Amino acid sequence: DAKTTQPTSMDCAEGRAANLPCNHSTISGNEYVYWYRQIHSQGPQYIIHGLKNNETNEMASLIITEDRKSSTLILPHATLRDTAVYYCIVRDQAGTALIFGKGTTLSVSS
Amino acid sequence: GAVVSQHPSRVICKSGTSVKIECRSLDFQATTMFWYRQFPKQSLMLMATSNEGSKATYEQGVEKDKFLINHASLTLSTLTVTSAHPEDSSFYICSALRGRGRQETQYFGPGTRLLVL
Repeated sequence: DAKTTQPTSMDCAEGRAANLPCNHSTISGNEYVYWYRQIHSQGPQYIIHGLKNNETNEMASLIITEDRKSSTLILPHATLRDTAVYYCIVRDQAGTALIFGKGTTLSVSS
Repeated sequence: GAVVSQHPSRVICKSGTSVKIECRSLDFQATTMFWYRQFPKQSLMLMATSNEGSKATYEQGVEKDKFLINHASLTLSTLTVTSAHPEDSSFYICSALRGRGRQETQYFGPGTRLLVL
């Protein structure tokens, strides 16, 4: 069973921030939140991950609530190339595989 | 980010033949690699976990005699689809695990599209 819940789809205007929510209410203390995206017909691309603190890299920011039951991935200035399926994944044990849910299809339009 | 390659990117084969797909970690060593399969309009499904120097661990419902996995080195894992049939047509994606602890991250290859006629 999926450990995360994400909206099926979202739309975003080019140049605006895209905020993708994820609920993981059953997350345990040692589980990390990972975000990946998959552009059509390609392998998933790593975006960012975190445990409890907010994280930022060149691609995105990850905001995790204090109770860790939800998080938001922020793409600060969405472009058409950010159109993809975004997966929020909680992973429980080191060395184990990521288990993918259905993700959120983000459509960025001009 | 880390680079994982797959070869071939796409392959067409006849029913009953075998197909080998290679997965390489190009700029890091990977003790653990994973194989996924993705059907159209569906999410990725984990097939097996491949550990260097040992037998792969298969997910429930995945036939180990049909999907042979070999992880002979720290940079190469192979998936052989034996006696392929049209229902095996799918998008096969590998990934490699890099780092430990807080830095542990899975990096994915570009995928191999298999079409069995």
